[in-house]
Amino acid sequence: GAVVSQHPSRVICKSGTSVKIECRSLDFQATTMFWYRQFPKQSLMLMATSNEGSKATYEQGVEKDKFLINHASLTLSTLTVTSAHPEDSSFYICSAREAGITNSPLHFGNGTRLTVT
Amino acid sequence: GQQLNQSPQSMFIQEGEDVSMNCTSSSIFNTWLWYKQEPGEGPVLLIALYKAGELTSNGRLTAQFGITRKDSFLNISASIPSDVGIYFCAALLGAQKLVFGQGTRLTINP
Repeated sequence: GAVVSQHPSRVICKSGTSVKIECRSLDFQATTMFWYRQFPKQSLMLMATSNEGSKATYEQGVEKDKFLINHASLTLSTLTVTSAHPEDSSFYICSAREAGITNSPLHFGNGTRLTVT
Repeated sequence: GQQLNQSPQSMFIQEGEDVSMNCTSSSIFNTWLWYKQEPGEGPVLLIALYKAGELTSNGRLTAQFGITRKDSFLNISASIPSDVGIYFCAALLGAQKLVFGQGTRLTINP
């Protein structure tokens, strides 16, 4: 079945540094990928929609300059957390749907646990 | 914004018992999905529902898309230890975006 790979699975960084998270669709093409954030014991909250070849669409309250999204190819989207602070510590999860398939379900990556010290 | 109200928030059951959880919304959705998430991992799709009234099974799991298109339930029959995890309902907003329920944390006593 469709696989979405996310890397790294865990990252610890110092406050003020930037961290890049990759999301790859391994065996399908995805014109659109989605980035979610999940705080402990909470649900997934959509941060932004990543569109191949164009600008990402951010949800209300999500700073586009802080969470930079690049979707340079049909199989790769990246999320860069810039100038990270401890409150950015969270579980970040990407998802993707196979392009061109009606009712294709969203497949999720295994998430990236970001800890900012 | 769009919200899904999922209940119960947590369940503590004995192995072998059946489980039932549901999601409701004040809005109409055209697709309902149920996911399971285990600690430190991303959600895994269990069942997808595309038509009002649809009842779909996946092994011991059964889910239904409510006839009003505002609700869905998930049942797990004869629970086993590996059923432990957090179950999320989700509904498709427009063509692409998913909105999630708050999750139901399932704990099973052997």
